[in-house]
Amino acid sequence: EIALTQSPATLSLSPGERATLSCTASQGVRSASLAWYQKIRGQAPRLLIYGTSTRAAGIPDRFSGRGSGTDFTLTINRLEPEDYAVYYCQHYDSSSVSFGQGTKLEIK
Amino acid sequence: QVQLVQSGAEVKKPGSSVKVSCKASGITFNSISIIWVRQAPGRGLRWVGRIIPKLGTPDFAQDYQGRVMITADESTATAYLELSRLRPEDTAMYYCATSRAGLRWERTTYYSYMDVWGEGTAVTVSS
Repeated sequence: EIALTQSPATLSLSPGERATLSCTASQGVRSASLAWYQKIRGQAPRLLIYGTSTRAAGIPDRFSGRGSGTDFTLTINRLEPEDYAVYYCQHYDSSSVSFGQGTKLEIK
Repeated sequence: QVQLVQSGAEVKKPGSSVKVSCKASGITFNSISIIWVRQAPGRGLRWVGRIIPKLGTPDFAQDYQGRVMITADESTATAYLELSRLRPEDTAMYYCATSRAGLRWERTTYYSYMDVWGEGTAVTVSS
């Protein structure tokens, strides 16, 4: 299984600021295999980005993803109150599935 | 509208088994993969396993090998997760999830992501 390490564990930012979340894979992965999810307590996860950089349906363009090989990034511009949540990266291919341990985005 | 509907909450004794169901609607069942993910209280998302009904054979995260089985009934478009020899640390919310786009194939490798999630099934293991 490919291990995904997310950093930082917690990110404290104010509304309107930009958040940059990192996800590092234990070995190189194809861009097609990397996705990002938002998790709010009491709700099911919500897909934000798939294929490293494609926004899912209904996701505002404040959210963007990029990366390749072992290093991937989720950027959230102009933070809104509803963006404060836990974010997970995920790898999915025919060999395995894995999630990062999550980054908690909290209000500063 | 694609939807996954899961079975209700369960309370189990240590050492027993639990079987959680996930019924799909609005999607061609044998063209998708269904994964199971769990989240223990205060913890992150953990992949448990998956099944692709068209391919048949499920696969599982190493942590659950030997204790987990995932099956799919195409006639009812329902996937099942069964976890045996339950421990208190198996207490978690269990989610099933799938992709409306199905699998993306590149030669012999496939990729996917989960844009449809069930509502979750709370499993509590306690004596």
